[in-house]
Amino acid sequence: SQKIEQNSEALNIQEGKTATLTCNYTNYSPAYLQWYRQDPGRGPVFLLLIRENEKEKRKERLKVTFDTTLKQSLFHITASQPADSATYLCALPYFNQAGTALIFGKGTTLSVSS
Amino acid sequence: ETGVTQTPRHLVMGMTNKKSLKCEQHLGHNAMYWYKQSAKKPLELMFVYNFKEQTENNSVPSRFSPECPNSSHLFLHLHTLQPEDSALYLCASSQDLQPYEQYFGPGTRLTVT
Repeated sequence: SQKIEQNSEALNIQEGKTATLTCNYTNYSPAYLQWYRQDPGRGPVFLLLIRENEKEKRKERLKVTFDTTLKQSLFHITASQPADSATYLCALPYFNQAGTALIFGKGTTLSVSS
Repeated sequence: ETGVTQTPRHLVMGMTNKKSLKCEQHLGHNAMYWYKQSAKKPLELMFVYNFKEQTENNSVPSRFSPECPNSSHLFLHLHTLQPEDSALYLCASSQDLQPYEQYFGPGTRLTVT
């Protein structure tokens, strides 16, 4: 069955540094991948979607890469700020008889200290 | 009101109670979802509705009963729950089924005593 791993439960970095979060998957060839941000006690918020034919995608200080050979996506936040502290989730589509839905990783909790 | 709203935000219920969670989306989306989020676990998909029709039941116990009267409203009816059902229940919507991004509500924090 499909499996997603976000291999760091927690990541602590200093303000101004670049945070890099990893999402690995197995038994799977997704057509795209999504990243979400979740703050404590809140629902996830969509950040970026990257398709299998896109190597890299950017949005302001965020950058996502998608390596279908390594079966890995990297999520970067440059010039990190304390306000970036949150849990970041990657999600991939899965397909079954009923249609499609998303499967989420456990998330990586980022803490940015000033 | 914009986005996806959920009520109540917090709910404490006994194992013999019957309660309902409500979700409403104001985005004109066609697909709606229920997820369960427990501590230290990834989001678990429970149900998917597309154009009011259920397209996914992810082996959810029958003590959880969804209802989707129209594309804007989604309910989760709860009865005879167990303490292990305590979790954050999240509703989401998307324009259609994937690859569209999902918009989540704030969730209902459910505690079963």
